Amino acid sequence: EDKVVQSPLSLVVHEGDTVTLNCSYEVTNFRSLLWYKQEKKAPTFLFMLTSSGIEKKSGRLSSILDKKELFSILNITATQTGDSAVYLCAVEGKNTGNQFYFGTGTSLTVIP
Amino acid sequence: NAGVTQTPKFQVLKTGQSMTLQCAQDMNHNSMYWYRQDPGMGLRLIYYSASEGTTDKGEVPNGYNVSRLNKREFSLRLESAAPSQTSVYFCASSEALVLGPIYGYTFGSGTRLTVV
Repeated sequence: EDKVVQSPLSLVVHEGDTVTLNCSYEVTNFRSLLWYKQEKKAPTFLFMLTSSGIEKKSGRLSSILDKKELFSILNITATQTGDSAVYLCAVEGKNTGNQFYFGTGTSLTVIP
Repeated sequence: NAGVTQTPKFQVLKTGQSMTLQCAQDMNHNSMYWYRQDPGMGLRLIYYSASEGTTDKGEVPNGYNVSRLNKREFSLRLESAAPSQTSVYFCASSEALVLGPIYGYTFGSGTRLTVV
């Protein structure tokens, strides 16, 4: 059964801490893995990963994919209160057709 | 398997044609949602239904209509498709209405729609 599992489900840290969010997957014919951040209504796109071992970076956020072990991590360094959000992982597979599988998200709270 | 089922998975339409995307959930959730995802962008909320019998506009409702047929089903209709509606569409459900962070949603697998 195709699935995406995110951990932890929720996390509370202090400003300045570094956090690592995990996304593991079992998806037939993997095509890509996407990370989103959602604070209000609309999730914002962060990264799309298709190749193993190539880190994608945007400011204090970075992400990497391991297609052998079937997981991805999202790192946030020097966290700020503005990083408080739900982080969602989605995996695109290609079985009978392109399909997306979403994790249920990791809720991150950064306290001053 | 419990979850959210969307049909069809693929569709190609000509400009001006109409179609309905179907969504059904078997988790007895009260709230259902339709999102669209465009390349490089996040999910954008089209319409949502907080409970059976109610529907409300989201962020990008123009060109769409919805129908909450019963607690299980929430359909999205394009009356006159336009190329700007080429996108991947996701249906989702949740126990309670959550228009903020979508922790705890269950998503369907998506419908890839191309309008030519």
